[in-house]
Amino acid sequence: GENVEQHPSTLSVQEGDSAVIKCTYSDSASNYFPWYKQELGKRPQLIIDIRSNVGEKKDQRIAVTLNKTAKHFSLHITETQPEDSAVYFCAAEAGSYQLTFGKGTKLSVIP
Amino acid sequence: GAVVSQHPSWVICKSGTSVKIECRSLDFQATTMFWYRQFPKQSLMLMATSNEGSKATYEQGVEKDKFLINHASLTLSTLTVTSAHPEDSSFYICSARGQGPYGYTFGSGTRLTVV
Repeated sequence: GENVEQHPSTLSVQEGDSAVIKCTYSDSASNYFPWYKQELGKRPQLIIDIRSNVGEKKDQRIAVTLNKTAKHFSLHITETQPEDSAVYFCAAEAGSYQLTFGKGTKLSVIP
Repeated sequence: GAVVSQHPSWVICKSGTSVKIECRSLDFQATTMFWYRQFPKQSLMLMATSNEGSKATYEQGVEKDKFLINHASLTLSTLTVTSAHPEDSSFYICSARGQGPYGYTFGSGTRLTVV
């Protein structure tokens, strides 16, 4: 089955700096890669996603890049704000329509 | 947008009792429902996948007789934790996948505490 590795597990940045979270996946058949933000005790919220036929996608301060050859994708958050502090999960969907999640990255934005 | 309503949001039960968690898709048909368990400071771990009208497919290590999943309609799926024990205490969350390409909608989660 699919295996998703996510790094780093924790990340602290100064407000206004950029944050980058990286994920790798194992199943070359995976074709959908969402990123979720989860605050304590709440449901994961989709913040951005990318499909396998696209190399990069941007939505305001958030961007995701995908390298299918290397089987890795990354989340980029620019101009970080304290409200960006949360746990972020990457995920990959293979042909069986199951999402496999990374272990998560706890992002702390220091004011 | 797509909404999945999950109830209850939290429940405390005694050891040995059963607890039922419901997930309803409010404005779309959930052809597939996923049930996850999340322990503190950990990722979401898939427990089982259910398609409407079919038996659920359980992940390795998940006891199907303990975690009963019913997906009798396209808008309702239930997870029953039978004979709950303290180690079953966790955050349980459902996710529905509707028709069409991509897109998962999560329920709000249920915090289960077994005492």
